[in-house]
Amino acid sequence: EAGVTQSPTHLIKTRGQQATLRCSPISGHTSVYWYQQALGLGLQFLLWYDEGEERNRGNFPPRFSGRQFPNYSSELNVNALELEDSALYLCASSLPGGSKGYTFGSGTRLTVV
Amino acid sequence: DAKTTQPNSMESNEEEPVHLPCNHSTISGTDYIHWYRQLPSQGPEYVIHGLTSNVNNRMASLAIAEDRKSSTLILHRATLRDAAVYYCILRVSNFGNEKLTFGTGTRLTIIP
Repeated sequence: EAGVTQSPTHLIKTRGQQATLRCSPISGHTSVYWYQQALGLGLQFLLWYDEGEERNRGNFPPRFSGRQFPNYSSELNVNALELEDSALYLCASSLPGGSKGYTFGSGTRLTVV
Repeated sequence: DAKTTQPNSMESNEEEPVHLPCNHSTISGTDYIHWYRQLPSQGPEYVIHGLTSNVNNRMASLAIAEDRKSSTLILHRATLRDAAVYYCILRVSNFGNEKLTFGTGTRLTIIP
């Protein structure tokens, strides 16, 4: 069974540009979660999508947005990139409700220069 | 958000059992206790979860206190590959608030 896949693995952008990160969940999982992990810090919850709808949002500015497609894959968009957006962005998927646990991908390392 | 408290770091000798403690005194009756671990340069990996009863799987055991205000993750025989940051997390069960809130975790070092 394929795990959660994220692309690209690395991304370098210039301050002010936009970044798009992609996530494909495990087959059968309808919920997708996005987390940000800055270097040396813990995971900060960004967004939760389920059945194509944004269900919950962490304490991040509106320039962090995303969507979930009919096949349950998801995209995270970060507009007007700032240097402090440099981090590992992790995607996780779960069955509805997440009671059986989350499966995480290996992440996208975003570097803003 | 429901909070957990873990020691920042622990050390254990290889091939010995490891007991990783977690306090969650504000836990609600329907909150699940989840444990994840994160190896260097990887995403977190699910380890185990439970509600009230102790749980066992191929990776670890989870011992939950009777009052549910604390729990302990038990690695029965630590190997070098178990060196990671271990996160104890409460999963709130209110629909519409589905997320796992990660704390800073316990960095486990295994001594050969």
